[in-house]
Amino acid sequence: SQKIEQNSEALNIQEGKTATLTCNYTNYSPAYLQWYRQDPGRGPVFLLLIRENEKEKRKERLKVTFDTTLKQSLFHITASQPADSATYLCAPYNQGGKLIFGQGTELSVKP
Amino acid sequence: DTEVTQTPKHLVMGMTNKKSLKCEQHMGHRAMYWYKQKAKKPPELMFVYSYEKLSINESVPSRFSPECPNSSLLNLHLHALQPEDSALYLCASSQEVLTRGQPQHFGDGTRLSIL
Repeated sequence: SQKIEQNSEALNIQEGKTATLTCNYTNYSPAYLQWYRQDPGRGPVFLLLIRENEKEKRKERLKVTFDTTLKQSLFHITASQPADSATYLCAPYNQGGKLIFGQGTELSVKP
Repeated sequence: DTEVTQTPKHLVMGMTNKKSLKCEQHMGHRAMYWYKQKAKKPPELMFVYSYEKLSINESVPSRFSPECPNSSLLNLHLHALQPEDSALYLCASSQEVLTRGQPQHFGDGTRLSIL
């Protein structure tokens, strides 16, 4: 069955450092993958999309990579700030017409 | 502020009650979704509407009944729920269904508690 795995532990980093979050998937080949941010008590907010024919995508301090051979996406936040603290969800697209969300990685950026 | 509005924000109901959750968007999106999210878990898809027609039902129990009265509105009718149905119910919309990678816009959810 299709499986998505994100960093199982919460990620704690110091302000100014780069946060790297991992998303691994098995048993399917998504045409694209989306990343979302979710704050406590709020709905997820779309951040970035990367397609299977793209290696890398950037938006301001965010960078996403997509390695279809390794079946992995990495999500980087450079020059991290306490305001970046949130849960980050990866969502590879399933050809059944739906996104399947990973369990999320909780990021905490300390001043 | 989110562009997808959900009401009510909180709902407490008994197992014999009937209630409805409401979702509204005015972005002209033609696909709308209901998700269920338990604490510390990812959103789980329940239903997808495309052009006001139900296109995906993820084997959701019949005590949850979705309705799409028009392209801007999505309802979830609740009846005879169980305590394990307590969760955050999220509504989302996208320009079309997800085949081309359109992002989903989420509301902030209705926190449902079943007594």
